[in-house]
Amino acid sequence: DGGITQSPKYLFRKEGQNVTLSCEQNLNHDAMYWYRQDPGQGLRLIYYSQIVNDFQKGDIAEGYSVSREKKESFPLTVTSAQKNPTAFYLCASSPDTEAFFGQGTRLTVV
Amino acid sequence: QKEVEQDPGPLSVPEGAIVSLNCTYSNSAFQYFMWYRQYSRKGPELLMYTYSSGNKEDGRFTAQVDKSSKYISLFIRDSQPSDSATYLCALRGGSYIPTFGRGTSLIVHP
Repeated sequence: DGGITQSPKYLFRKEGQNVTLSCEQNLNHDAMYWYRQDPGQGLRLIYYSQIVNDFQKGDIAEGYSVSREKKESFPLTVTSAQKNPTAFYLCASSPDTEAFFGQGTRLTVV
Repeated sequence: QKEVEQDPGPLSVPEGAIVSLNCTYSNSAFQYFMWYRQYSRKGPELLMYTYSSGNKEDGRFTAQVDKSSKYISLFIRDSQPSDSATYLCALRGGSYIPTFGRGTSLIVHP
């Protein structure tokens, strides 16, 4: 089954901790993206990558970091510098035009 | 002014109604147009993708693009309670990065 897998589905973080969200795709897509979704605000771009070993900041990159060591994988780390990390995080990939999404990770700070 | 404007709703219709969902945009560089459906706590699912002005039909769904007016629409015929979800428009220009509307919440009541 081809698709985009995000894990975990739910994640709880204590204040001051870094956490990493996993995103894996077996669609052989070059481009991958991370979005944050908050109620009433739509999707906001955190980081994107068009090729392996290269990535660019999106509109709200502060407090986040990524890596793209393999074509299939694009993990997102939410650092302690992110002041309001509670949100729904969506990973997507694209062959060229349309984007396809994973099922999301809901991160909650406790 | 945001690049993509979409009324968040909610839009409430009776079962069987024809639903019209719309987005306007300001950037004439947008060439690719997508509609996604998102159920609560799930990732967005691609419904329709088009790159030309005019209509594209797929089952009960019709996507309409008017580039001269910078206006796109998604029509849903014979709406069902299972169509209740948030519908997001997404537009893309020459870059790999889609720009999303805020989403319209649709409620189809029996």
